Amino acid sequence: ETGVTQSPTHLIKTRGQQVTLRCSSQSGHNTVSWYQQALGQGPQFIFQYYREEENGRGNFPPRFSGLQFPNYSSELNVNALELDDSALYLCASSLRAIGVAFFGQGTRLTVV
Amino acid sequence: ELKVEQNPLFLSMQEGKNYTIYCNYSTTSDRLYWYRQDPGKSLESLFVLLSNGAVKQEGRLMASLDTKARLSTLHITAAVHDLSATYFCAVAPQGGSEKLVFGKGTKLTVNP
Repeated sequence: ETGVTQSPTHLIKTRGQQVTLRCSSQSGHNTVSWYQQALGQGPQFIFQYYREEENGRGNFPPRFSGLQFPNYSSELNVNALELDDSALYLCASSLRAIGVAFFGQGTRLTVV
Repeated sequence: ELKVEQNPLFLSMQEGKNYTIYCNYSTTSDRLYWYRQDPGKSLESLFVLLSNGAVKQEGRLMASLDTKARLSTLHITAAVHDLSATYFCAVAPQGGSEKLVFGKGTKLTVNP
Protein backbone atom coordinates (compact mmCIF):
# COMPACT_ATOMS: atom_id res chain seq x y z
CA GLU A 1 0.00 0.00 0.00
CA THR A 2 1.43 3.35 -1.06
CA GLY A 3 -1.00 5.69 0.67
CA VAL A 4 -2.10 7.15 -2.66
CA THR A 5 -5.79 6.55 -3.25
CA GLN A 6 -7.78 7.11 -6.41
CA SER A 7 -11.49 7.14 -7.07
CA PRO A 8 -13.42 5.71 -8.68
CA THR A 9 -11.63 2.46 -9.51
CA HIS A 10 -13.70 1.81 -12.63
CA LEU A 11 -15.81 4.05 -14.79
CA ILE A 12 -17.76 3.72 -18.02
CA LYS A 13 -18.63 6.86 -19.97
CA THR A 14 -20.14 7.65 -23.33
CA ARG A 15 -18.22 9.46 -26.06
CA GLY A 16 -18.64 13.22 -25.73
CA GLN A 17 -19.24 13.15 -21.98
CA GLN A 18 -17.02 14.67 -19.32
CA VAL A 19 -15.30 12.84 -16.47
CA THR A 20 -13.55 13.77 -13.22
CA LEU A 21 -11.05 11.47 -11.56
CA ARG A 22 -9.77 12.03 -8.04
CA CYS A 23 -6.54 11.36 -6.22
CA SER A 24 -5.49 11.70 -2.59
CA SER A 25 -1.73 11.99 -2.29
CA GLN A 26 0.45 10.29 0.28
CA SER A 27 0.79 12.17 3.54
CA GLY A 28 3.55 14.77 3.35
CA HIS A 29 3.80 14.71 -0.45
CA ASN A 30 3.28 18.04 -2.23
CA THR A 31 3.52 16.95 -5.85
CA VAL A 32 0.95 15.03 -7.85
CA SER A 33 1.42 13.71 -11.37
CA TRP A 34 -1.11 12.09 -13.65
CA TYR A 35 -0.36 9.41 -16.22
CA GLN A 36 -2.42 7.64 -18.87
CA GLN A 37 -1.66 4.00 -19.53
CA ALA A 38 -3.24 2.45 -22.59
CA LEU A 39 -3.52 -1.32 -22.71
CA GLY A 40 -0.15 -2.95 -23.29
CA GLN A 41 1.75 0.35 -23.13
CA GLY A 42 3.87 2.22 -20.63
CA PRO A 43 2.33 5.14 -18.74
CA GLN A 44 2.35 8.51 -20.54
CA PHE A 45 2.78 11.72 -18.54
CA ILE A 46 -0.26 14.00 -18.67
CA PHE A 47 0.67 16.79 -16.24
CA GLN A 48 1.99 17.53 -12.79
CA TYR A 49 0.85 19.82 -10.00
CA TYR A 50 3.06 21.30 -7.33
CA ARG A 51 1.55 23.46 -4.60
CA GLU A 52 -1.66 23.95 -6.58
CA GLU A 53 0.10 25.10 -9.77
CA GLU A 54 0.58 23.15 -12.99
CA ASN A 55 4.25 22.27 -13.23
CA GLY A 56 4.76 20.60 -16.56
CA ARG A 57 2.51 19.04 -19.15
CA GLY A 58 2.86 16.21 -21.61
CA ASN A 59 1.48 15.96 -25.14
CA PHE A 60 -2.19 15.95 -24.22
CA PRO A 61 -4.85 18.30 -25.60
CA PRO A 62 -6.40 21.08 -23.50
CA ARG A 63 -9.53 19.01 -22.87
CA PHE A 64 -7.36 17.26 -20.27
CA SER A 65 -7.21 19.60 -17.29
CA GLY A 66 -6.55 19.33 -13.61
CA LEU A 67 -6.54 20.88 -10.19
CA GLN A 68 -4.61 20.49 -7.01
CA PHE A 69 -6.16 21.48 -3.71
CA PRO A 70 -4.55 22.97 -0.59
CA ASN A 71 -4.41 19.51 1.01
CA TYR A 72 -2.47 18.37 -2.12
CA SER A 73 -5.23 16.09 -3.37
CA SER A 74 -5.91 16.42 -7.08
CA GLU A 75 -8.47 16.04 -9.83
CA LEU A 76 -8.10 15.13 -13.48
CA ASN A 77 -10.88 16.34 -15.76
CA VAL A 78 -11.39 15.17 -19.30
CA ASN A 79 -13.94 16.88 -21.53
CA ALA A 80 -15.47 15.65 -24.78
CA LEU A 81 -14.40 12.07 -24.19
CA GLU A 82 -13.14 10.09 -27.16
CA LEU A 83 -12.91 6.34 -27.56
CA ASP A 84 -9.10 6.58 -27.42
CA ASP A 85 -9.34 8.03 -23.92
CA SER A 86 -10.12 4.53 -22.67
CA ALA A 87 -7.16 3.67 -20.45
CA LEU A 88 -5.90 3.22 -16.91
CA TYR A 89 -5.31 6.63 -15.33
CA LEU A 90 -2.63 6.65 -12.69
CA CYS A 91 -1.94 9.27 -10.09
CA ALA A 92 1.49 9.49 -8.49
CA SER A 93 2.54 11.55 -5.50
CA SER A 94 6.04 12.55 -4.52
CA LEU A 95 8.04 15.02 -2.52
CA ARG A 96 9.16 17.78 -4.85
CA ALA A 97 12.22 16.73 -6.90
CA ILE A 98 13.24 14.12 -4.35
CA GLY A 99 12.83 10.41 -4.24
CA VAL A 100 10.30 8.07 -5.67
CA ALA A 101 6.89 8.69 -7.17
CA PHE A 102 4.34 6.45 -5.47
CA PHE A 103 1.43 5.38 -7.60
CA GLY A 104 -2.19 4.87 -6.71
CA GLN A 105 -4.16 1.84 -7.83
CA GLY A 106 -5.50 3.68 -10.85
CA THR A 107 -8.89 4.40 -12.40
CA ARG A 108 -9.90 2.24 -15.33
CA LEU A 109 -11.88 4.46 -17.74
CA THR A 110 -13.84 2.90 -20.57
CA VAL A 111 -15.38 5.17 -23.19
CA VAL A 112 -18.11 3.61 -25.30
CA GLU B 1 13.10 14.75 -26.45
CA LEU B 2 13.86 11.97 -24.04
CA LYS B 3 13.11 8.47 -25.34
CA VAL B 4 13.31 5.27 -23.35
CA GLU B 5 13.67 1.85 -24.93
CA GLN B 6 13.40 -1.46 -23.17
CA ASN B 7 14.27 -4.87 -24.46
CA PRO B 8 13.14 -7.45 -24.69
CA LEU B 9 9.44 -6.57 -24.65
CA PHE B 10 8.48 -10.16 -23.90
CA LEU B 11 10.52 -12.65 -21.94
CA SER B 12 9.57 -16.23 -21.16
CA MET B 13 11.97 -18.08 -18.92
CA GLN B 14 12.17 -21.18 -16.81
CA GLU B 15 12.37 -21.16 -13.06
CA GLY B 16 15.93 -21.18 -11.84
CA LYS B 17 17.38 -19.38 -14.86
CA ASN B 18 19.06 -15.98 -15.00
CA TYR B 19 18.25 -13.17 -17.38
CA THR B 20 18.75 -9.43 -17.92
CA ILE B 21 16.33 -6.72 -19.04
CA TYR B 22 17.88 -3.67 -20.71
CA CYS B 23 16.78 -0.05 -20.60
CA ASN B 24 18.39 2.54 -22.90
CA TYR B 25 17.57 6.24 -22.79
CA SER B 26 18.43 9.01 -25.19
CA THR B 27 19.39 12.10 -23.14
CA THR B 28 21.07 12.92 -19.86
CA SER B 29 18.96 12.02 -16.86
CA ASP B 30 18.80 12.78 -13.16
CA ARG B 31 17.26 9.53 -12.02
CA LEU B 32 16.16 6.15 -13.27
CA TYR B 33 13.45 4.01 -11.74
CA TRP B 34 12.36 0.43 -12.09
CA TYR B 35 8.72 -0.46 -11.45
CA ARG B 36 6.80 -3.70 -11.39
CA GLN B 37 3.19 -4.00 -12.54
CA ASP B 38 0.97 -7.05 -12.03
CA PRO B 39 -2.00 -7.50 -14.41
CA GLY B 40 -4.75 -4.98 -13.69
CA LYS B 41 -2.75 -3.42 -10.87
CA SER B 42 -0.81 -0.23 -10.30
CA LEU B 43 2.94 0.30 -10.36
CA GLU B 44 5.13 -0.88 -7.50
CA SER B 45 8.46 0.87 -7.04
CA LEU B 46 11.45 -1.48 -7.10
CA PHE B 47 14.57 0.66 -7.39
CA VAL B 48 15.74 4.25 -7.72
CA LEU B 49 19.15 4.73 -9.31
CA LEU B 50 20.71 8.15 -8.88
CA SER B 51 24.30 8.07 -10.02
CA ASN B 52 26.69 6.43 -12.41
CA GLY B 53 27.69 2.98 -11.25
CA ALA B 54 24.76 2.71 -8.84
CA VAL B 55 23.79 -0.87 -8.08
CA LYS B 56 20.85 -1.94 -5.98
CA GLN B 57 19.66 -5.40 -5.06
CA GLU B 58 16.48 -6.74 -3.57
CA GLY B 59 16.02 -10.49 -3.40
CA ARG B 60 16.49 -12.01 -6.86
CA LEU B 61 16.51 -8.63 -8.62
CA MET B 62 19.52 -6.41 -9.12
CA ALA B 63 19.50 -3.08 -10.98
CA SER B 64 22.47 -1.09 -12.21
CA LEU B 65 23.03 2.21 -13.97
CA ASP B 66 25.68 3.36 -16.44
CA THR B 67 25.00 7.03 -17.12
CA LYS B 68 27.77 7.31 -19.69
CA ALA B 69 26.23 4.58 -21.80
CA ARG B 70 22.72 5.76 -20.84
CA LEU B 71 21.91 2.18 -19.94
CA SER B 72 20.31 0.47 -17.00
CA THR B 73 19.94 -3.25 -16.49
CA LEU B 74 17.61 -5.30 -14.35
CA HIS B 75 19.14 -8.69 -13.67
CA ILE B 76 17.02 -11.60 -12.52
CA THR B 77 18.77 -14.40 -10.67
CA ALA B 78 17.29 -17.89 -10.32
CA ALA B 79 13.83 -16.79 -11.42
CA VAL B 80 10.73 -17.97 -9.58
CA HIS B 81 7.10 -17.92 -10.74
CA ASP B 82 6.26 -15.03 -8.38
CA LEU B 83 8.46 -12.74 -10.46
CA SER B 84 6.05 -13.00 -13.39
CA ALA B 85 4.90 -9.42 -14.08
CA THR B 86 5.58 -6.49 -16.39
CA TYR B 87 8.68 -4.46 -15.53
CA PHE B 88 9.04 -0.83 -16.53
CA CYS B 89 11.99 1.47 -16.44
CA ALA B 90 11.26 5.17 -16.15
CA VAL B 91 13.65 8.06 -16.57
CA ALA B 92 13.43 11.56 -15.12
CA PRO B 93 14.90 14.21 -17.46
CA GLN B 94 17.81 16.22 -16.14
CA GLY B 95 16.87 19.42 -14.36
CA GLY B 96 14.82 18.12 -11.50
CA SER B 97 11.67 17.51 -13.50
CA GLU B 98 9.33 14.94 -12.02
CA LYS B 99 7.96 14.06 -15.45
CA LEU B 100 8.81 10.41 -15.88
CA VAL B 101 9.27 8.94 -19.34
CA PHE B 102 8.50 5.23 -19.33
CA GLY B 103 9.67 2.43 -21.54
CA LYS B 104 7.09 0.14 -23.09
CA GLY B 105 7.69 -2.49 -20.43
CA THR B 106 9.01 -6.04 -20.42
CA LYS B 107 6.41 -8.72 -19.83
CA LEU B 108 8.15 -11.48 -17.92
CA THR B 109 6.66 -14.95 -17.64
CA VAL B 110 8.44 -17.49 -15.46
CA ASN B 111 7.43 -21.04 -16.20
CA PRO B 112 7.74 -23.91 -13.72
